[in-house]
Amino acid sequence: GQNIDQPTEMTATEGAIVQINCTYQTSGFNGLFWYQQHAGEAPTFLSYNVLDGLEEKGRFSSFLSRSKGYSYLLLKELQMKDSASYLCAVIPSGTYKYIFGTGTRLKVLA
Amino acid sequence: DGGITQSPKYLFRKEGQNVTLSCEQNLNHDAMYWYRQDPGQGLRLIYYSQIVNDFQKGDIAEGYSVSREKKESFPLTVTSAQKNPTAFYLCASSEARGGKQPQHFGDGTRLSIL
Repeated sequence: GQNIDQPTEMTATEGAIVQINCTYQTSGFNGLFWYQQHAGEAPTFLSYNVLDGLEEKGRFSSFLSRSKGYSYLLLKELQMKDSASYLCAVIPSGTYKYIFGTGTRLKVLA
Repeated sequence: DGGITQSPKYLFRKEGQNVTLSCEQNLNHDAMYWYRQDPGQGLRLIYYSQIVNDFQKGDIAEGYSVSREKKESFPLTVTSAQKNPTAFYLCASSEARGGKQPQHFGDGTRLSIL
């Protein structure tokens, strides 16, 4: 089967660093995406990993380990506007279906 | 600016009624998708289309239908057979047929039962 797991909720303080984990079990692998979704809005693309290692984009970084079926999204210098849900999505190989996790709701406190 | 337009933003359905949600994109993307999102949940795939005049069922296709007569358009009909249609519906598109490209999302349609 195909399964993606993320923690349901996380809380962090403004200015801190937070790591949101994602583990997956899929039939093959063609890449992993992270999206940010504010309440009541559409998801917006944050990052894409297909090879092992860390991809950095400003305050956001994403890491992938294909052998472990594991990824994380690292958010630095947290701001109040980072309060949102963060969705992990995987594309199994041989398909163009995106399999989404249930998302992690991040609350940033002042 | 290119993007995906969903309409209407809010929609109400009476019992026994079919309703159609519109999705139009001017990104020249081949693939288009419909997702359903329930409160506090992730995205569940209803239907997807890789090319004009072709579409495939996703994980929760029962009670829904789609058409793909034009590359830019992928309307979703919520039929009376869908007994629990209240949800946030998101349309998305992507560039390449084989994945590896991020999906772009519309702003969504919120459907409720009257």
